[in-house]
Amino acid sequence: EVQLVESGGGLVQPGRSLKLSCVASGFTFSNYGMNWIRQAPGKGLEWVAYISSGSSYIYYAETVKGRFTISRDNAKNTLYLQMTSLRSEDTALYYCARLSYADYWGQGVMVTVSS
Amino acid sequence: DTVLTQSPALAVSPGERVTISCRASESVSTLMHWYQQKPGQQPTLLIYLASNLESGVPARFSGSGSGTDFTLTIDPVEADDTATYYCQQSWNDPFTFGSGTKLEIK
Repeated sequence: EVQLVESGGGLVQPGRSLKLSCVASGFTFSNYGMNWIRQAPGKGLEWVAYISSGSSYIYYAETVKGRFTISRDNAKNTLYLQMTSLRSEDTALYYCARLSYADYWGQGVMVTVSS
Repeated sequence: DTVLTQSPALAVSPGERVTISCRASESVSTLMHWYQQKPGQQPTLLIYLASNLESGVPARFSGSGSGTDFTLTIDPVEADDTATYYCQQSWNDPFTFGSGTKLEIK
């Protein structure tokens, strides 16, 4: 069974940093591209970042480019999102999802940016 | 960025046929995908690569289109289909989502 479990969320002050993790199981993680997708409270889905299976291709939404870094450790079956210079508008539920067409999603982890 | 435009909301009766449209600001080839999100739940994939039905998704759902114009069709609609439907493209960097179409079943 494919499982994606996010962690690392919480309450953080504006301007600070946070690192999210997503542990994958039930499939060969190293064979799949992965995404971070977020959803602000009461709002729609916003794609954040994508990383290919071997990390050769990395894409970011313009809203996070230069502040967020997506990475992965295929030996640990783990996807990461390093978030810096956080803003109130980054407050959202962050999902990790498999493949460029998101066939599996985690339950999400909440990030709240507030003073 | 590739902007995906969806109608905000639709209301239909059970048993009817409904089409949800998604128009891209530039070509996305056939790399368009559709998701359903019910309140309090994570989204689920319905259609990938414009017209491919995800495993386990009822055949009442279908997708079509290429280039800039895409359609998700539900036929016939059931009460359980009440949800918000999103399109997403993965052809152009950055990937983008539409703003969602909220479907109400009368």
